[in-house]
Amino acid sequence: GQQVMQIPQYQHVQEGEDFTTYCNSSTTLSNIQWYKQRPGGHPVFLIQLVKSGEVKKQKRLTFQFGEAKKNSSLHITATQTTDVGTYFCAGASGSARQLTFGSGTQLTVLP
Amino acid sequence: DAGVIQSPRHEVTEMGQEVTLRCKPISGHDYLFWYRQTMMRGLELLIYFNNNVPIDDSGMPEDRFSAKMPNASFSTLKIQPSEPRDSAVYFCASSFRPGKNTEAFFGQGTRLTVV
Repeated sequence: GQQVMQIPQYQHVQEGEDFTTYCNSSTTLSNIQWYKQRPGGHPVFLIQLVKSGEVKKQKRLTFQFGEAKKNSSLHITATQTTDVGTYFCAGASGSARQLTFGSGTQLTVLP
Repeated sequence: DAGVIQSPRHEVTEMGQEVTLRCKPISGHDYLFWYRQTMMRGLELLIYFNNNVPIDDSGMPEDRFSAKMPNASFSTLKIQPSEPRDSAVYFCASSFRPGKNTEAFFGQGTRLTVV
């Protein structure tokens, strides 16, 4: 079955440093979504990427979808304490409607 | 809309007891998903429904788990009998598509502890 791997599992950064998490799928994806889960909370949708090579930005967050539509990344510039949480990628293949979630990257931002 | 509503928020039960988790999806959403989250296994899809019909239950761990969706506004996940290894946070999510955006809206989750 489809597998989605995400690295790193944990990342500690000083406030103001940049942060990147990477996502790789065993199969070609029709789209990839990113979610953020605050400690004790539930996953909240951030963005969806559909096109090969697509890049989208949300303020300090930059999302990329690989040319082969098998990998993706999330980059946060100048992290803030409000960025703390676990970031998940989630991919869908073909006409499948279910999302396969990566293992997540837990981000800690030290003030 | 109040979002996806799950109940109870917390459940503590003894091994062997039956547990029922409840979910009310966002009105108008035609897909409903049940996920389980643990430290060891992350977020796992258990089952999902489309228009109240179960489409894929391959993630349901074993026969002790069952899910129903009797109507568009209600779903249950039942574990009978429960075991300590079922302890996890269970999330319900719903999504709406006719458009291209297929984001899932998650409920607050039910934290289940089986002792």
